Amino acid sequence: LAKTTQPISMDSYEGQEVNITCSHNNIATNDYITWYQQFPSQGPRFIIQGYKTKVTNEVASLFIPADRKSSTLSLPRVSLSDTAVYYCLARSGNTPLVFGKGTRLSVIA
Amino acid sequence: KAGVTQTPRYLIKTRGQQVTLSCSPISGHRSVSWYQQTPGQGLQFLFEYFSETQRNKGNFPGRFSGRQFSNSRSEMNVSTLELGDSALYLCASSPTWTSGRSSSYNEQFFGPGTRLTVL
Repeated sequence: LAKTTQPISMDSYEGQEVNITCSHNNIATNDYITWYQQFPSQGPRFIIQGYKTKVTNEVASLFIPADRKSSTLSLPRVSLSDTAVYYCLARSGNTPLVFGKGTRLSVIA
Repeated sequence: KAGVTQTPRYLIKTRGQQVTLSCSPISGHRSVSWYQQTPGQGLQFLFEYFSETQRNKGNFPGRFSGRQFSNSRSEMNVSTLELGDSALYLCASSPTWTSGRSSSYNEQFFGPGTRLTVL
């Protein structure tokens, strides 16, 4: 299975931009990179996915360099409600999506 | 559209018993995946069903099994419960199957989960 590496935890103040970087050295050639968000006592929620360069939606931006061995989720101007666990997912072949333990983001007032 | 529903939401069992959890996917979705979430191991893939066929299976013992019905509803069964089976069990639905192949479609819709406690 593909292995992704991301920080265990991050802290940020409200109003700041938060960047969470994930490494996925052996991502499959045609697989997308996907990010999910999970609040306590809820199931994960899809945030964004991309294949290369930059993808932006109403929630976040995703930056993927040309070698695709890493990706960065960018959350603009976070608020207390963005406190959650963020998961980066990538596959190295025909495997299930692996969530791992994610990055626990704490937003401080 | 109604979201993914799971029943029951909470369950307490004792060691050696068996349990069946139910998941109703979003209308029109044909894939249901099951996950186990614990503080120590994080979110781990159990299996995925698509059109009543198991498409992929995670690294769990045979005590964990599942099935999917013709209306896409799915059940998960755990036999001979152990203390370590205490966890949040999540199911997720999607229009198409997502495990076992590189895909541009990786969006799954998760239910609220069933909290299983084994005493």
